[in-house]
Amino acid sequence: KAGVTQTPRYLIKTRGQQVTLSCSPISGHRSVSWYQQTPGQGLQFLFEYFSETQRNKGNFPGRFSGRQFSNSRSEMNVSTLELGDSALYLCASSLSGALNQPQHFGDGTRLSIL
Amino acid sequence: GENVEQHPSTLSVQEGDSAVIKCTYSDSASNYFPWYKQELGKRPQLIIDIRSNVGEKKDQRIAVTLNKTAKHFSLHITETQPEDSAVYFCAASIGTSYGKLTFGQGTILTVHP
Repeated sequence: KAGVTQTPRYLIKTRGQQVTLSCSPISGHRSVSWYQQTPGQGLQFLFEYFSETQRNKGNFPGRFSGRQFSNSRSEMNVSTLELGDSALYLCASSLSGALNQPQHFGDGTRLSIL
Repeated sequence: GENVEQHPSTLSVQEGDSAVIKCTYSDSASNYFPWYKQELGKRPQLIIDIRSNVGEKKDQRIAVTLNKTAKHFSLHITETQPEDSAVYFCAASIGTSYGKLTFGQGTILTVHP
Protein backbone atom coordinates (compact mmCIF):
# COMPACT_ATOMS: atom_id res chain seq x y z
CA LYS A 1 0.00 0.00 0.00
CA ALA A 2 1.44 3.37 -0.96
CA GLY A 3 2.16 5.79 1.84
CA VAL A 4 1.26 9.45 2.12
CA THR A 5 2.53 11.33 -0.92
CA GLN A 6 3.37 15.01 -0.87
CA THR A 7 4.26 17.14 -3.86
CA PRO A 8 6.41 18.94 -4.64
CA ARG A 9 9.29 17.89 -2.37
CA TYR A 10 11.07 21.22 -2.64
CA LEU A 11 9.93 24.75 -3.44
CA ILE A 12 11.72 28.06 -3.60
CA LYS A 13 9.60 31.20 -3.57
CA THR A 14 10.09 34.89 -2.94
CA ARG A 15 8.34 37.11 -0.45
CA GLY A 16 4.84 38.12 -1.43
CA GLN A 17 4.20 35.13 -3.67
CA GLN A 18 1.72 32.40 -2.95
CA VAL A 19 2.18 28.63 -2.97
CA THR A 20 0.04 25.50 -3.12
CA LEU A 21 1.16 22.19 -1.65
CA SER A 22 -0.49 18.85 -2.32
CA CYS A 23 -1.05 15.76 -0.16
CA SER A 24 -2.43 12.40 -1.22
CA PRO A 25 -3.34 10.24 1.79
CA ILE A 26 -2.94 6.52 2.16
CA SER A 27 -5.62 4.74 0.17
CA GLY A 28 -8.76 4.49 2.28
CA HIS A 29 -7.70 7.20 4.70
CA ARG A 30 -10.15 10.07 4.87
CA SER A 31 -8.64 12.44 7.43
CA VAL A 32 -5.72 14.70 6.51
CA SER A 33 -3.85 16.92 8.98
CA TRP A 34 -1.20 19.50 8.10
CA TYR A 35 1.79 20.52 10.22
CA GLN A 36 4.60 23.05 9.96
CA GLN A 37 8.03 21.92 11.16
CA THR A 38 10.77 24.45 11.93
CA PRO A 39 13.93 24.17 14.06
CA GLY A 40 12.69 26.86 16.42
CA GLN A 41 9.02 26.00 16.85
CA GLY A 42 9.09 22.27 16.20
CA LEU A 43 5.98 20.59 14.81
CA GLN A 44 2.89 22.78 14.88
CA PHE A 45 -0.62 21.85 13.82
CA LEU A 46 -2.14 23.87 10.98
CA PHE A 47 -5.53 22.27 10.26
CA GLU A 48 -7.39 19.02 9.69
CA TYR A 49 -9.83 18.00 6.98
CA PHE A 50 -12.30 15.16 6.81
CA SER A 51 -14.92 14.57 4.15
CA GLU A 52 -14.05 17.88 2.47
CA THR A 53 -14.69 19.83 5.69
CA GLN A 54 -12.21 21.60 7.92
CA ARG A 55 -12.89 20.27 11.40
CA ASN A 56 -10.00 21.77 13.32
CA LYS A 57 -7.61 24.68 12.97
CA GLY A 58 -4.39 25.70 14.70
CA ASN A 59 -3.10 29.16 15.55
CA PHE A 60 -1.87 30.32 12.18
CA PRO A 61 -2.85 33.49 10.32
CA GLY A 62 -5.50 33.48 7.63
CA ARG A 63 -2.78 33.43 4.95
CA PHE A 64 -2.67 29.69 5.57
CA SER A 65 -5.64 27.87 4.11
CA GLY A 66 -6.50 24.45 2.83
CA ARG A 67 -9.09 22.29 1.22
CA GLN A 68 -9.90 18.65 0.65
CA PHE A 69 -11.33 17.00 -2.42
CA SER A 70 -13.86 14.19 -2.70
CA ASN A 71 -11.02 11.65 -3.20
CA SER A 72 -9.54 12.80 0.16
CA ARG A 73 -6.55 14.49 -1.46
CA SER A 74 -5.79 17.77 0.25
CA GLU A 75 -4.09 21.00 -0.71
CA MET A 76 -2.62 23.70 1.44
CA ASN A 77 -2.20 27.27 0.26
CA VAL A 78 -0.06 30.03 1.71
CA SER A 79 -0.55 33.53 0.36
CA THR A 80 1.66 36.61 0.66
CA LEU A 81 4.66 34.55 1.67
CA GLU A 82 6.96 35.83 4.42
CA LEU A 83 10.52 34.83 5.24
CA GLY A 84 9.26 33.15 8.40
CA ASP A 85 7.16 30.75 6.34
CA SER A 86 10.30 28.84 5.38
CA ALA A 87 9.73 25.39 6.83
CA LEU A 88 9.04 21.74 6.19
CA TYR A 89 5.32 21.27 5.66
CA LEU A 90 4.10 17.82 6.57
CA CYS A 91 0.76 16.21 6.06
CA ALA A 92 -0.48 13.15 7.86
CA SER A 93 -3.42 10.90 7.12
CA SER A 94 -5.53 8.70 9.34
CA LEU A 95 -8.07 6.05 8.59
CA SER A 96 -11.39 7.41 9.71
CA GLY A 97 -13.14 10.30 11.26
CA ALA A 98 -12.89 8.71 14.69
CA LEU A 99 -10.95 10.60 17.29
CA ASN A 100 -7.36 9.69 18.07
CA GLN A 101 -6.63 7.53 15.08
CA PRO A 102 -2.90 6.94 14.37
CA GLN A 103 -1.52 9.49 11.95
CA HIS A 104 0.97 8.56 9.23
CA PHE A 105 3.16 11.26 7.74
CA GLY A 106 4.39 12.02 4.26
CA ASP A 107 7.95 13.09 3.42
CA GLY A 108 6.95 16.75 3.44
CA THR A 109 7.45 19.74 1.19
CA ARG A 110 10.43 21.89 2.04
CA LEU A 111 9.54 25.51 1.34
CA SER A 112 12.27 28.12 1.18
CA ILE A 113 11.43 31.82 0.96
CA LEU A 114 14.06 34.16 -0.47
CA GLY B 1 -4.29 25.05 25.04
CA GLU B 2 -2.38 21.81 25.37
CA ASN B 3 1.35 22.02 26.04
CA VAL B 4 3.82 19.14 25.89
CA GLU B 5 7.26 19.33 27.46
CA GLN B 6 9.92 16.80 26.44
CA HIS B 7 13.22 15.95 28.14
CA PRO B 8 16.08 15.59 27.57
CA SER B 9 16.70 17.55 24.38
CA THR B 10 19.75 15.40 23.61
CA LEU B 11 20.64 11.91 24.81
CA SER B 12 23.83 10.01 24.13
CA VAL B 13 24.16 6.31 25.00
CA GLN B 14 26.42 3.39 24.25
CA GLU B 15 25.16 0.56 22.07
CA GLY B 16 23.32 -1.96 24.22
CA ASP B 17 22.34 0.56 26.90
CA SER B 18 18.78 1.66 27.59
CA ALA B 19 17.39 5.09 26.69
CA VAL B 20 14.50 6.87 28.39
CA ILE B 21 12.73 9.98 27.12
CA LYS B 22 10.09 11.72 29.24
CA CYS B 23 7.18 13.98 28.37
CA THR B 24 4.67 15.87 30.44
CA TYR B 25 1.37 17.28 29.20
CA SER B 26 -0.82 20.03 30.55
CA ASP B 27 -4.39 19.14 29.58
CA SER B 28 -5.92 16.36 31.65
CA ALA B 29 -8.38 15.74 28.79
CA SER B 30 -5.55 14.35 26.65
CA ASN B 31 -6.15 10.68 25.99
CA TYR B 32 -3.89 9.59 23.13
CA PHE B 33 -0.08 9.66 23.20
CA PRO B 34 1.95 8.63 20.13
CA TRP B 35 5.72 8.60 19.71
CA TYR B 36 7.44 9.35 16.42
CA LYS B 37 10.97 8.70 15.20
CA GLN B 38 12.39 11.04 12.59
CA GLU B 39 15.68 10.26 10.88
CA LEU B 40 17.55 13.04 9.14
CA GLY B 41 15.72 14.14 6.01
CA LYS B 42 12.94 11.60 6.47
CA ARG B 43 9.32 11.61 7.53
CA PRO B 44 8.26 11.20 11.17
CA GLN B 45 7.48 7.52 11.65
CA LEU B 46 4.98 6.31 14.23
CA ILE B 47 6.79 3.80 16.46
CA ILE B 48 4.35 3.24 19.31
CA ASP B 49 1.27 4.83 20.83
CA ILE B 50 -0.76 4.49 24.01
CA ARG B 51 -4.26 5.46 25.04
CA SER B 52 -5.28 6.80 28.40
CA ASN B 53 -7.02 3.60 29.48
CA VAL B 54 -3.70 1.72 29.39
CA GLY B 55 -0.71 2.17 31.70
CA GLU B 56 1.98 0.47 29.65
CA LYS B 57 2.51 -0.89 26.16
CA LYS B 58 5.44 -2.84 24.72
CA ASP B 59 6.62 -3.64 21.21
CA GLN B 60 9.85 -5.62 21.14
CA ARG B 61 12.60 -3.26 22.40
CA ILE B 62 10.28 -0.29 22.76
CA ALA B 63 7.87 0.43 25.60
CA VAL B 64 5.78 3.39 26.65
CA THR B 65 4.43 4.08 30.13
CA LEU B 66 1.69 6.51 31.08
CA ASN B 67 0.97 8.10 34.45
CA LYS B 68 -2.34 9.95 34.12
CA THR B 69 -2.25 11.28 37.66
CA ALA B 70 1.10 12.96 37.15
CA LYS B 71 0.33 13.75 33.49
CA HIS B 72 3.52 12.29 32.15
CA PHE B 73 4.50 9.51 29.77
CA SER B 74 7.84 7.99 28.85
CA LEU B 75 9.49 6.10 26.01
CA HIS B 76 11.87 3.31 26.92
CA ILE B 77 14.23 1.77 24.39
CA THR B 78 16.23 -1.25 25.54
CA GLU B 79 19.33 -2.79 23.95
CA THR B 80 19.89 0.30 21.83
CA GLN B 81 21.48 -0.04 18.40
CA PRO B 82 23.19 2.58 16.18
CA GLU B 83 20.15 2.54 13.88
CA ASP B 84 18.06 3.84 16.80
CA SER B 85 19.89 7.17 16.39
CA ALA B 86 17.28 9.76 15.36
CA VAL B 87 15.08 12.54 16.72
CA TYR B 88 12.20 11.25 18.81
CA PHE B 89 9.00 13.25 19.31
CA CYS B 90 6.27 12.65 21.82
CA ALA B 91 2.78 14.00 21.18
CA ALA B 92 -0.57 14.29 22.89
CA SER B 93 -4.08 14.53 21.57
CA ILE B 94 -7.25 15.68 23.27
CA GLY B 95 -10.18 13.41 22.55
CA THR B 96 -12.39 16.25 21.37
CA SER B 97 -9.81 17.80 19.04
CA TYR B 98 -9.96 16.19 15.64
CA GLY B 99 -6.68 15.51 13.90
CA LYS B 100 -4.56 17.69 16.17
CA LEU B 101 -1.40 16.35 17.76
CA THR B 102 0.55 18.63 20.08
CA PHE B 103 4.22 17.71 19.90
CA GLY B 104 7.11 17.97 22.31
CA GLN B 105 10.28 19.70 21.12
CA GLY B 106 12.07 16.47 20.31
CA THR B 107 15.02 14.48 21.68
CA ILE B 108 18.12 13.85 19.60
CA LEU B 109 19.21 10.30 20.47
CA THR B 110 22.72 9.23 19.52
CA VAL B 111 23.75 5.61 20.00
CA HIS B 112 27.52 5.12 19.89
CA PRO B 113 28.81 1.76 18.60
